Amino acid sequence: GAVVSQHPSWVICKSGTSVKIECRSLDFQATTMFWYRQFPKQSLMLMATSNEGSKATYEQGVEKDKFLINHASLTLSTLTVTSAHPEDSSFYICSADELAGSYNEQFFGPGTRLTVL
Amino acid sequence: AQKITQTQPGMFVQEKEAVTLDCTYDTSDQSYGLFWYKQPSSGEMIFLIYQGSYDEQNATEGRYSLNFQKARKSANLVISASQLGDSAMYFCAMREGADKIIFGKGTRLHILP
Repeated sequence: GAVVSQHPSWVICKSGTSVKIECRSLDFQATTMFWYRQFPKQSLMLMATSNEGSKATYEQGVEKDKFLINHASLTLSTLTVTSAHPEDSSFYICSADELAGSYNEQFFGPGTRLTVL
Repeated sequence: AQKITQTQPGMFVQEKEAVTLDCTYDTSDQSYGLFWYKQPSSGEMIFLIYQGSYDEQNATEGRYSLNFQKARKSANLVISASQLGDSAMYFCAMREGADKIIFGKGTRLHILP
């Protein structure tokens, strides 16, 4: 199947700093990428849908000025957590769309674990 | 209202037994897709199986099968001959048309030796 990578796999930062997470589709082009956040023992919650060359669509309750998403190419989307605080500590997972047969299958990255001190 | 409901927060199953993970969904769309993902402790999301709303036959992938009951809006995952490596979190998910994927709350499966 298609491969999606994320970098970094884990990051620890001080409160108030910004952190950038990259999501890349390695062997296919992804016009749409999705960013999820997962708190411990909870499900994946969609944060935003990222479309190449256009503004991201954020889910209700997600601050677009705090979670900046850029989808500059068909293989790269970035999520920047600005002025991170301890409550932003979470597991961030991206996924990318690929047309596969009769359905769109989303391929997930391995995730990035963010810890804000 | 929840779109995807997984009523079993946790399950314990003896190795080599079959296990059924429940999932019900809510949609008024005619075209939708149902997915099951496995998430081990490493955190990666592993795609297991897909069922399209227009597929007449239940999907199967190796030891995984999806028991699709369209009228009941049910999409249970059946794992045959469970293995210790099947211990993980399992998420049922739905996609309406080409829209975003919505996940259920998950079921933590423990396989006992």
